Amino acid sequence: GQSLEQPSEVTAVEGAIVQINCTYQTSGFYGLSWYQQHDGGAPTFLSYNALDGLEETGRFSSFLSRSDSYGYLLLQELQMKDSASYFCAGAFSGSARQLTFGSGTQLTVLP
Amino acid sequence: DAGVTQSPTHLIKTRGQHVTLRCSPISGHKSVSWYQQVLGQGPQFIFQYYEKEERGRGNFPDRFSARQFPNYSSELNVNALLLGDSALYLCASSWGARGGETQYFGPGTRLLVL
Repeated sequence: GQSLEQPSEVTAVEGAIVQINCTYQTSGFYGLSWYQQHDGGAPTFLSYNALDGLEETGRFSSFLSRSDSYGYLLLQELQMKDSASYFCAGAFSGSARQLTFGSGTQLTVLP
Repeated sequence: DAGVTQSPTHLIKTRGQHVTLRCSPISGHKSVSWYQQVLGQGPQFIFQYYEKEERGRGNFPDRFSARQFPNYSSELNVNALLLGDSALYLCASSWGARGGETQYFGPGTRLLVL
């Protein structure tokens, strides 16, 4: 099947850097997305990696290594508003064109 | 431009009833996907529709059905509701049908089954 694993919780202080890891099963995999979801809100797109390497978007960066079946989301200069759930989501080939989400990482940013 | 809209925002039903949830995608987007999100978990894929055709179906029972209209809006129908159907139902739209495309989520419909 298609599954993604990520830590359930991460805590960091304002101004710090935090990395949220995600491992996935390789069968049919072709890309990794990251979404942010605040309590009671809708998931919002952060980044997408189809190729190995680092993608940078402002304070957020995402990395993918296909050989290791692994990716991460890097958040720099943490702000209180970054407290949210972060989901990695895999795009897999096949008849069902869908995103398969991990169970989410709850990030808490402390003052 | 308006984002993805969903209606209703909240809904309370009893076991055995049926429910219809509605979604309007971002203007110009032709693909609509439906997800179920149970508290504390990631969204789980239910359906994808593109150009009014079903392009993908997740591991959900036949009680779940959907359709897409000529204006690309979509409905999700759930029959014979069970307590376990209580969840946040999210609609996401994208321009095309590729799985890796950015998906834009609506605010969701929170369904409670009693």
